[in-house]
Amino acid sequence: GAVVSQHPSRVICKSGTSVKIECRSLDFQATTMFWYRQFPKKSLMLMATSNEGSKATYEQGVEKDKFLINHASLTLSTLTVTSAHPEDSSFYICSARDAGGVNSPLHFGNGTRLTVT
Amino acid sequence: DAKTTQPTSMDCAEGRAANLPCNHSTISGNEYVYWYRQIHSQGPQYIIHGLKNNETNEMASLIITEDRKSSTLILPHATLRDTAVYYCIVRVASIGSARQLTFGSGTQLTVLP
Repeated sequence: GAVVSQHPSRVICKSGTSVKIECRSLDFQATTMFWYRQFPKKSLMLMATSNEGSKATYEQGVEKDKFLINHASLTLSTLTVTSAHPEDSSFYICSARDAGGVNSPLHFGNGTRLTVT
Repeated sequence: DAKTTQPTSMDCAEGRAANLPCNHSTISGNEYVYWYRQIHSQGPQYIIHGLKNNETNEMASLIITEDRKSSTLILPHATLRDTAVYYCIVRVASIGSARQLTFGSGTQLTVLP
């Protein structure tokens, strides 16, 4: 089945530094990937839609200059949290859909736990 | 996409069937019902989806009422590893680019030994 790999699974960084999270579709090509954020005991919230070869689409309230998304190939999207602050600490999850059809399910990575100290 | 309503939490005895309900009374004719689950500190895992007919795979069965206003996910023999938050999501089929999933609060299923 379709596999989405996310790296790293955990990262701790200091305030003011930037962190890059990678999302790869291992056995399929994904023209579109989605980035979600999840706070403790809360549901997933969509942050942005990553489109291969073009600019990402951000949800309302998500700062595009803070959460930089690059989707340079059909199998890789990256999310960079720039100038991280403690309030950016969260669980970040990416997802992608294989080309099995318009109703094929989205597949999710295992998430990245970001802690900003 | 249509809104869904699920119970906040449910318990189930290990080895018994877990029946998770979902209401989607405003569902339209071209919207599919998807079920995902999220085990603690992991990404969501796809379980099953359907449009009108009941569906079954190696993980679960999906029963959709005739009027499509509600559905039930059935885990036939729940194990402790099935303890997770289960999300019922209704989404329009989209031709061309993928569409995101909108997650509600889900149902916390706890399988008890």
